[in-house]
Amino acid sequence: DAKTTQPDSMESTEGETVHLPCSHATISGNEYIYWYRQVPLQGPEYVTHGLQQNTTNSMAFLAIASDRKSSTLILPHVSLRDAAVYHCILRVNNNNAPRFGAGTKLSVKP
Amino acid sequence: NAGVIQTPRHKVTGKGQEATLWCEPISGHSAVFWYRQTIVQGLEFLTYFRNQAPIDDSGMPKERFSAQMPNQSHSTLKIQSTQPQDSAVYLCASSSQVRDTQYFGPGTRLLVL
Repeated sequence: DAKTTQPDSMESTEGETVHLPCSHATISGNEYIYWYRQVPLQGPEYVTHGLQQNTTNSMAFLAIASDRKSSTLILPHVSLRDAAVYHCILRVNNNNAPRFGAGTKLSVKP
Repeated sequence: NAGVIQTPRHKVTGKGQEATLWCEPISGHSAVFWYRQTIVQGLEFLTYFRNQAPIDDSGMPKERFSAQMPNQSHSTLKIQSTQPQDSAVYLCASSSQVRDTQYFGPGTRLLVL
């Protein structure tokens, strides 16, 4: 699976819309973009995933660049509960186990 | 659905002792994954099973670590002769199939003194 690059940390304030970037310049055509988040003392939690089209669910909006070399996870109106480490990973839709990087630590101020 | 269950949640062992960590995947899930997380190394893949068969153990340390899945309802990760550098949070995840979304357990926090 191709490598992703994320900023180590980002800060935000409650109520703001947060844009978490992920770069995956060497992504292959059959690789899906997955996002997980992890709060302290818990395992990672699935957030969303996409292949080419933007996707949205109750947790977030995933914007994928037209060339697929980058993506952005958009968190609207963040609250303190959104403070977590957000992992962007790529997975081929096959039988390989996903590998995680360091992710982006999102801090949310009151 | 209780989610992925890991026991114990915390374990303290002395250097040289054996530690066995347990994972109960979500019922019906055919794939089980083990990861290790430390502040320095982040979230590292260890091994995974599909339909109880070991598929990829490329992340497992070559010595002292072993994993089994004797039945579809649980998997174990065993560390022999534990060392302080084995201290970490060990996470288990399961998915209905390998390609599907993983669901993680809360982890076992292992401390080797």
